[in-house]
Amino acid sequence: AQKVTQAQTEISVVEKEDVTLDCVYETRDTTYYLFWYKQPPSGELVFLIRRNSFDEQNEISGRYSWNFQKSTSSFNFTITASQVVDSAVYFCALSEAGYQKVTFGTGTKLQVIP
Amino acid sequence: DTGVSQDPRHKITKRGQNVTFRCDPISEHNRLYWYRQTLGQGPEFLTYFQNEAQLEKSRLLSDRFSAERPKGSFSTLEIQRTEQGDSAMYLCASSLEAQGYTEAFFGQGTRLTVV
Repeated sequence: AQKVTQAQTEISVVEKEDVTLDCVYETRDTTYYLFWYKQPPSGELVFLIRRNSFDEQNEISGRYSWNFQKSTSSFNFTITASQVVDSAVYFCALSEAGYQKVTFGTGTKLQVIP
Repeated sequence: DTGVSQDPRHKITKRGQNVTFRCDPISEHNRLYWYRQTLGQGPEFLTYFQNEAQLEKSRLLSDRFSAERPKGSFSTLEIQRTEQGDSAMYLCASSLEAQGYTEAFFGQGTRLTVV
């Protein structure tokens, strides 16, 4: 069975601070995909990143970076120099060998205070 | 194409009534998914279609729920005899399954309130 744990329910930071959102996952498969999605107040889920289980390279995209560590089953997400527009709920998710069924974590609500 | 479109955006219904939601995926996408999201939780998988075939259904999809995707284009999700526990956001997503993997794109959801 798949499981995704986001232990941080809510985080508040002051604008321009860095913030890391934690994600720990469980799966029995050796082939799987990990995702991060952003859900702003409008409700739609916005895809941020996908990482497959064979690629442990960390990735940086602008102010966003991701740290994938299979040894600890973690896929953490860091926002550098946070901005008010980053305020949203962020979901970590996992699917086994494809996208037939994705298991989401419970989300971390990030509030960036100006 | 402006992405995945869901209609209506909001629906308030009385307990016991039937409701139907529609999802229009991105036009070239052959996979379509339905998820349900309750307050404070992440989305939960309900079902998915490959073209017009419904290939998997979650145990969350009780007998009162039915989903269709005629002609492999838009999809409908119907809930019969609604209960207060059905109140949630219903999200639709689509993806193109060709060679390799492509990510799914989500719509803005239909928020259902059963009173």
